[in-house]
Amino acid sequence: GAVVSQHPSRVICKSGTSVKIECRSLDFQATTMFWYRQFPKQSLMLMATSNEGSKATYEQGVEKDKFLINHASLTLSTLTVTSAHPEDSSFYICSALKRTGGNTEAFFGQGTRLTVV
Amino acid sequence: GEDVEQSLFLSVREGDSSVINCTYTDSSSTYLYWYKQEPGAGLQLLTYIFSNMDMKQDQRLTVLLNKKDKHLSLRIADTQTGDSAIYFCAEIALSNDYKLSFGAGTTVTVRA
Repeated sequence: GAVVSQHPSRVICKSGTSVKIECRSLDFQATTMFWYRQFPKQSLMLMATSNEGSKATYEQGVEKDKFLINHASLTLSTLTVTSAHPEDSSFYICSALKRTGGNTEAFFGQGTRLTVV
Repeated sequence: GEDVEQSLFLSVREGDSSVINCTYTDSSSTYLYWYKQEPGAGLQLLTYIFSNMDMKQDQRLTVLLNKKDKHLSLRIADTQTGDSAIYFCAEIALSNDYKLSFGAGTTVTVRA
């Protein structure tokens, strides 16, 4: 399989500050990455689709000014939670699409546990 | 997840086989995936099947796809305690721009 590295794995921040989460595809290039949010004991909710070199596409109900996504290279996408509030505390997971010939596989990072205090 | 449905819980005895079921609605699904999530961790891709396949086997894992009924299953043979986790079924559909749609996840508990 392929490797997707997500950093940091855990972060605690104060209300009002911003937090950046990185998602890297280590051994393949990913023109498309996705950012998900997972609440406790729930499934993953897609937040946005990150495409290299273009603006991210946000799902309905996700504030683009609050969750800034930058996909500046074929191996790196970042999610910045701006002016964080306690209700932003969640598990954030990225995934990267690996396209090889006719196959498409999605690989996930290990997730980031964000706690806003 | 409303387009992909799974049962929420499964309890199985160690050594027995586990079968996790999933149904989906999008007929343009191209790939269907099974992911495993252990507590506090990210998702681990277990296996996937292309929509023109009926079955895929990988060691203890067997995936069955009934495209007519839009039903996917994951069978884990000789279930071990390390198999206790949440298992997510997911699909990629052409009609959804290749975004992954997830089921709610099935919590598998392996008892001794």
